[in-house]
Amino acid sequence: KQEVTQIPAALSVPEGENLVLNCSFTDSAIYNLQWFRQDPGKGLTSLLLIQSSQREQTSGRLNASLDKSSGRSTLYIAASQPGDSATYLCAVFGGNNRKLIWGLGTSLAVNP
Amino acid sequence: EPEVTQTPSHQVTQMGQEVILRCVPISNHLYFYWYRQILGQKVEFLVSFYNNEISEKSEIFDDQFSVERPDGSNFTLKIRSTKLEDSAMYFCASSGEASEKLFFGSGTQLSVL
Repeated sequence: KQEVTQIPAALSVPEGENLVLNCSFTDSAIYNLQWFRQDPGKGLTSLLLIQSSQREQTSGRLNASLDKSSGRSTLYIAASQPGDSATYLCAVFGGNNRKLIWGLGTSLAVNP
Repeated sequence: EPEVTQTPSHQVTQMGQEVILRCVPISNHLYFYWYRQILGQKVEFLVSFYNNEISEKSEIFDDQFSVERPDGSNFTLKIRSTKLEDSAMYFCASSGEASEKLFFGSGTQLSVL
C-alpha cells in the first residue's frame, strides 16, 4: 500500500532563504508526482507535476526533483517570500491505483 | 486559466440529512474526482468518474455516497444520510487525461451537526 511522508511537518524561515521540502513514497510504481500549495481554508493549487520518466521540473522560483527508484522528491524554493507561507502537499499518482495518494504536508512560514 | 468551480463554499447540515455538493469541472476535461480532507488529516481519495461511470472508488465511498453527471457541465456528490464523521472539506477535481495534472476546486466545507 502506497504511503507518502513529508518532512519536516513545519518550517519557519526568514525571508530570502532558500529551502527544501522533502517527500518520500514507499511504492516506486508511480505515473507522476505532484506538488500542491494549500492556503488556510482554501483549495489545492497545483505547483508542479513530474512525470515518472522525468527527473525535475521548474516553475519560477520552484524546482521539484524526483528520484523514483529511491522513492523521494524534493521541492526547492529559492529566495523565499512571505507570500510563500502556506502548506505544501506532495501527492503521487498511479501504480495499481489511479488516484492521488497524499502526504500530510509541510506547513511553511516565511517571516518578513 | 480555466478553473473548477464548487458550490456551496460552506454547507451546514443536521446528522441524517441529505446533502448535494456541486462542481463544474473544466469544460474539455474527461476525468472527474472527489477528494476530501478531514481537519488535520491527509487528503483522501473518494471516487473517480470517467465516461459517465465510476472508474474507481475508495472504501470511504460506501452506499451513502453517489456521484452523478446530470448534464454536460455539472458533477455532483450526494451523501444520502450524513454522519458526524462526514464533516470535512470536499474537493472536486478534473483532468484531461487519467495521469495528467489535476485541477482542483476551492472546496466545500461540510459541517454535520
